[in-house]
Amino acid sequence: AQTVTQSQPEMSVQEAETVTLSCTYDTSESNYYLFWYKQPPSRQMILVIRQEAYKQQNATENRFSVNFQKAAKSFSLKISDSQLGDTAMYFCAFFNFGNEKLTFGTGTRLTIIP
Amino acid sequence: KAGVTQTPRYLIKTRGQQVTLSCSPISGHRSVSWYQQTPGQGLQFLFEYFSETQRNKGNFPGRFSGRQFSNSRSEMNVSTLELGDSALYLCASSSSSGGASTDTQYFGPGTRLTVL
Repeated sequence: AQTVTQSQPEMSVQEAETVTLSCTYDTSESNYYLFWYKQPPSRQMILVIRQEAYKQQNATENRFSVNFQKAAKSFSLKISDSQLGDTAMYFCAFFNFGNEKLTFGTGTRLTIIP
Repeated sequence: KAGVTQTPRYLIKTRGQQVTLSCSPISGHRSVSWYQQTPGQGLQFLFEYFSETQRNKGNFPGRFSGRQFSNSRSEMNVSTLELGDSALYLCASSSSSGGASTDTQYFGPGTRLTVL
């Protein structure tokens, strides 16, 4: 079974600064996807970024980028030029081809301070 | 395209009752997954339906069931409600036709169920 660990329950950063959220996972699979989702106070789960395990290049989406270290089973999210709207819970998730399910970490509550 | 919709958004039930939650996926998406979110257990996978068939199931008791219709809309039913069933129930849809972009799950706003 896969497990996803987010070791930072809470983080806060000043607006416009850069912040990195950590995620590690455990799996015996060689091919899988990894995701970061954000859940703002509205509770709507929103896709932030996606990474295919077979791709060595780190995914980027505007101010969001990942540092994917497959051998270390690490998948951190970097948010550059943080904005107030980035305040949310951030969940790291592992997608298993075998059972088509997402396994989520416990989340990191990120607060952007004006 | 319209996003994933869930109805109702809020529900209050009493112990022993049953409840049905509905999810309409993004147009063209054939896979619908359900997740339960609670403060204590976090996000847990309930089940996944594809083309009216349950493909995968999480570790939940048989009181939790679901189905999917020919138009890909899905319902989730919980019978004999318990206090511990109070949670945010999230539905997600995907194309599930192979490849990262089609396997990506997009979530609805959730149904907040409170059991008294």
